[in-house]
Amino acid sequence: SQQGEEDPQALSIQEGENATMNCSYKTSINNLQWYRQNSGRGLVHLILIRSNEREKHSGRLRVTLDTSKKSSSLLITASRAADTASYFCATDARSQGNLIFGKGTKLSVKP
Amino acid sequence: DAGITQSPRYKITETGRQVTLMCHQTWSHSYMFWYRQDLGHGLRLIYYSAAADITDKGEVPDGYVVSRSKTENFPLTLESATRSQTSVYFCASSEPRTGGLELFFGSGTQLSVL
Repeated sequence: SQQGEEDPQALSIQEGENATMNCSYKTSINNLQWYRQNSGRGLVHLILIRSNEREKHSGRLRVTLDTSKKSSSLLITASRAADTASYFCATDARSQGNLIFGKGTKLSVKP
Repeated sequence: DAGITQSPRYKITETGRQVTLMCHQTWSHSYMFWYRQDLGHGLRLIYYSAAADITDKGEVPDGYVVSRSKTENFPLTLESATRSQTSVYFCASSEPRTGGLELFFGSGTQLSVL
């Protein structure tokens, strides 16, 4: 079964708006990661947040982690058409190497 | 070229045939992974390897075989392909850092089993 589940499954916004995606997971984790996948391509790592961190920033990305609720959110500020992609969260709860991905959120940013 | 490469990019085969998907990385990363991606399921881990000659099962290992005789190569073999193995297969590699593993993905192999 999936460890992480993203929400919503799909999100459509206008350029310049903020996009928020959520990830919920089931068991305790060591860290949580977010990846982006453009259509027809491999995944690209965006950001990693450790279990003892609550918030992390990278450029226009802001990730939060709430271990008490077993959830994380990814915020993309001032979105651009180039941000159109699918976004996945991944956790390594069981052991290092056993990195499990969610089903992803498909983001569409309209110019 | 530096990076992680998968071959072939596209493959069509028939049920019952053996097929091997290749993965090669030039970073000397210790970890390598195989995932399959299907609509409605996202990415699912098939096998991973922490080092040469060390492999472990992921979520969906049945019907697949892997080997890791050299650090840079991690081939995935479907011993007797079935239609349910039609999918896009991604290989990835990583080197442990403080905090966790950040994966670098190949471009994928689109496999069709007829």
